[in-house]
Amino acid sequence: KAGVTQTPRYLIKTRGQQVTLSCSPISGHRSVSWYQQTPGQGLQFLFEYFSETQRNKGNFPGRFSGRQFSNSRSEMNVSTLELGDSALYLCASSLVGLAGGRPDTQYFGPGTRLTVL
Amino acid sequence: DQQVKQNSPSLSVQEGRISILNCDYTNSMFDYFLWYKKYPAEGPTFLISISSIKDKNEDGRFTVFLNKSAKHLSLHIVPSQPGDSAVYFCAASAWLEGGGADGLTFGKGTHLIIQP
Repeated sequence: KAGVTQTPRYLIKTRGQQVTLSCSPISGHRSVSWYQQTPGQGLQFLFEYFSETQRNKGNFPGRFSGRQFSNSRSEMNVSTLELGDSALYLCASSLVGLAGGRPDTQYFGPGTRLTVL
Repeated sequence: DQQVKQNSPSLSVQEGRISILNCDYTNSMFDYFLWYKKYPAEGPTFLISISSIKDKNEDGRFTVFLNKSAKHLSLHIVPSQPGDSAVYFCAASAWLEGGGADGLTFGKGTHLIIQP
């Protein structure tokens, strides 16, 4: 079974631009979560999507948004990029995600390394 | 405000000995804890988890201990092997009112180095 894939793997943007990152979950997985990893803050939860609906959201500004398609693939969008948005963005998929009461085992993709200049 | 803290950025252990990685948390609402392992250029991989109703969970060479009163958990790896060299993240989640669990809150990680 193929793992979680993320595209692109590396991205360089300038301040003020917007960016869209893509995540394809493991086949059969309906939950996709996004995380931001930076050296200073570590791994931080952005949001979770399940059946095309955002079900959970972390403490990030509205510039960070996402969506999920009917095939469970997910995209994350960051508008008006700031230097501090430079990070590794990780996507994780699981069967039913967080709704089951216990965090379903999440399988992470390799991440997209975003650099904002 | 770090709700999950891993105070040792790195830890060096000899092959064959026990590795003990520590994690402290401040949010008393956390009731489920997980450990992830991460190699460079790869996403984190789930290792082991523990619910707050337990104080110990074992899976092969990996054992997680939870001390709720101290808000502390630890991961023991016995015996340590060269392939265990990686960054280990502790993560926690809280039960939400109305059902479901909150997104995972991660510590900043501990880089474990197994020396031959």
